[in-house]
This record gives sequence, C-alpha cells and structure tokens, in this order.
Amino acid sequence: GAGVSQSPSNKVTEKGKDVELRCDPISGHTALYWYRQSLGQGLEFLIYFQGNSAPDKSGLPSDRFSAERTGGSVSTLTIQRTQQEDSAVYLCASSPDANYGYTFGSGTRLTVV
Amino acid sequence: AQSVTQLGSHVSVSEGALVLLRCNYSSSVPPYLFWYVQYPNQGLQLLLKYTTGATLVKGINGFEAEFKKSETSFHLTKPSAHMSDAAEYFCAVSVLQGAQKLVFGQGTRLTINP
Repeated sequence: GAGVSQSPSNKVTEKGKDVELRCDPISGHTALYWYRQSLGQGLEFLIYFQGNSAPDKSGLPSDRFSAERTGGSVSTLTIQRTQQEDSAVYLCASSPDANYGYTFGSGTRLTVV
Repeated sequence: AQSVTQLGSHVSVSEGALVLLRCNYSSSVPPYLFWYVQYPNQGLQLLLKYTTGATLVKGINGFEAEFKKSETSFHLTKPSAHMSDAAEYFCAVSVLQGAQKLVFGQGTRLTINP
C-alpha cells in the first residue's frame, strides 16, 4: 500500500481482556517495528522483525505481550490480560532498511478501563 | 549502547522567531541521525536525516539540522517559526552495526505563540 496502515485506530477494552492490534506495512519493506507511546513519554521500542530472521523481542515489557508477522507482511501485536498501564498509543513502522528511517502508521490508541 | 537526549521537554517561541531544538546523542560507532515530527493524533513523519556526507542537512517545512561530531549533537533549527510548526519533535539515532532499530529521545513539544 501507499503507507503503513494500522487498525483499529482506537480500541477501548476492559481490564483482563485480550486485544489484537494490526499493522499492514508498505509493500516491499522487509523491516517492521512496534513502538509504544505512553502519555508524556517518548517512544518505547517493543519488537522488530527483519525479513525471515528471528524477531528482536528485547523491548516487550512482559510475557503478556507477543507479536507475529505472517508471510513477511502483516503483523499482529497481541496483549493478553490487559492492564490499565497498557493504555498507550501503539505505533507500527516499516522500512526497507532502518538506516534510511522509518515510515510510521497513525497508531492505535488503546484504552484499558 | 546508543542513546539520545533532547534538552527541553517543552519549547515555546513566538511566530517568526528562530526555532532551536536540541539533541545530543551517544554512540560508539558513526551514527545515522533523524528528526521526526508528530502532529496531534497522528503518527511520526520524517523531517530530515543525516547518514554520511554533508553535515548540514535540510528537511521539509524549512527545517535543517547540523551534525557536529565533536559536540555529539544534531540540533534542529528553523529561521522563522510558523503557527503550523506546533507539534512534538523527536530526535533518533541508528547505527550501522548490530540491531537495526532507532533509539528515540523523549521528545520536545514546540509551542508557537502568536
């Protein structure tokens, strides 16, 4: 596609429920990233996929968080048993090469009530 | 490990005044440096980047930044602020080796006063 597409744009969920956030990167971009942006905070790295290599999961805050990337394209970030501190904007980005910068999606605003 | 420090979480300038947003980085290898802008309720948009070559780089919307290795800095400037420049600005660093991901600063919120 023309840009990085994320869905849903907004998600309100009850504490303890599971949520799935979707990212559709730019066609041909081999690298895909998930970041989290909490109110008043910078961008927190979560996970990085590069081609067929094993993902860099070093930023995932707990084992409630997981992500997959199917067929080297679409990625899903799953948060299990959501907590209020998970409320944030989740940003996805893709790139042909990180050293050339990312293209970001508009994000999913997650609110856990 | 790489890190980025943005001096000043909030900067306020008058319309028409000089904009200066400060960024210092830490990297043990030659860095690639980026500035991103985030308008309200939107994702991040690349303003400009330094990879190699000329140390003064020009970006969109009249912004420019200068890579100063001796000062480990990559400050963002614009000669004359416009109301539409009000946004959050993020500095980021990447490296040629190792994990190919960007490390972001905490961001600077720029307010433009009429």
